[in-house]
Amino acid sequence: EVQLVESGGVVVQPGGSLRLSCAASGFTFDDYTMHWVRQAPGKGLEWVSLISWDGGSTYYADSVKGRFTISRDNSKNSLYLQMNSLRTEDTALYYCAKDRSDAEILDNWGQGTLVSVSS
Amino acid sequence: DIQMTQSPSSLSASVGDRVTITCQASQDISNYLNWYQQKPGKAPKLLIYDASNLETGVPSRFSGSGSGTDFTFTISSLQPEDIATYYCQQYDNLPPLFGQGTKLEIK
Repeated sequence: EVQLVESGGVVVQPGGSLRLSCAASGFTFDDYTMHWVRQAPGKGLEWVSLISWDGGSTYYADSVKGRFTISRDNSKNSLYLQMNSLRTEDTALYYCAKDRSDAEILDNWGQGTLVSVSS
Repeated sequence: DIQMTQSPSSLSASVGDRVTITCQASQDISNYLNWYQQKPGKAPKLLIYDASNLETGVPSRFSGSGSGTDFTFTISSLQPEDIATYYCQQYDNLPPLFGQGTKLEIK
């Protein structure tokens, strides 16, 4: 069974930094592209970033480009999101999600970790 | 970026009703469209991929159709457990944007 468990969400001040983690199990992690998707309180889903199976390709939403960095450690079956220069509008539940086959079909999701940016 | 416009934004229907949600892309995306269900307090769940393919284990009352710019998601007979917000998502081009969601409630 595929399991994705996010962690690292906390309350942080504007301008601060944070690293989210996603621990994966139940599938061959290094075969799949992975994504981060976020959801602000009471709002819809916003795609954030993706990373290819080997980490060689990454892509970001314009809203986070230059501030967030996605990475992965295939030896640890883990996905990360380094978040710098945080803004209040980054407050959201952050989900990691597995891609079916490099086609942006998100077939498994974690339960999310909450990031709150507030002074 | 390819923008996705869903309608309606909210919908109230009775158990047993046929429910239809539409999603329109700002440009031709062929059949590169997914539909997700998000129940309150839960993570999203993939229901339909490639516009019309039902994900394994998803009840057959759910279906999707369309190609190009216009897509439809249908629940043939609404059940109480279908109360959720439904999102379309295109994957023809990056970024893989979502529609704004349709909140489905029981009348």
